[in-house]
Amino acid sequence: AAGVIQSPRHLIKEKRETATLKCYPIPRHDTVYWYQQGPGQDPQFLISFYEKMQSDKGSIPDRFSAQQFSDYHSELNMSSLELGDSALYFCASSVKLVPDTQYFGPGTRLTVL
Amino acid sequence: GENVEQHPSTLSVQEGDSAVIKCTYSDSASNYFPWYKQELGKGPQLIIDIRSNVGEKKDQRIAVTLNKTAKHFSLHITETQPEDSAVYFCAASYTGTYKYIFGTGTRLKVLA
Repeated sequence: AAGVIQSPRHLIKEKRETATLKCYPIPRHDTVYWYQQGPGQDPQFLISFYEKMQSDKGSIPDRFSAQQFSDYHSELNMSSLELGDSALYFCASSVKLVPDTQYFGPGTRLTVL
Repeated sequence: GENVEQHPSTLSVQEGDSAVIKCTYSDSASNYFPWYKQELGKGPQLIIDIRSNVGEKKDQRIAVTLNKTAKHFSLHITETQPEDSAVYFCAASYTGTYKYIFGTGTRLKVLA
């Protein structure tokens, strides 16, 4: 079965640079969620989109922005990167009929030097 | 705010024994409780879930119980195998937002 695709899988950036993470949800899934997971920590909700509209917002820094496109893929844009942004970033998707069941992608490991 | 507590943080069991992980949630509006297994370097994988209108759910060696009054739910793994070794996260969400509040995770080690 098709799963959530995230790219890139690994990303290394310098402080103050910009990064863009991409997420391709499971086919026919219309909702995308972004989570940040620090080392040894639980995933923290950042933001979600349903039908291309922002549906909820969590602890996402103002330096970060995200959007969902007409093909339902989503991008997380991160600017003015800080050392503390180093983490695993997960995207999850769900379908309208079962909106609460989220399927996670393999994650993007971002390292900020 | 919403909070999910998870215990224990680490758990070691002998192969074939049972493992139990417990979570407590704070928001009484929560009505969906999934459990995820996360292996090193991988994304969380859904292993079982339960909704607030059900008290127990079982899928082969894995079961989840929910006590709405006490606001806690538990994961039970029977006949543990070395491949069950991973970090397990509980989570809670409720209708309308669907974002997950995760527990802090339990590192399960099954000793052969």
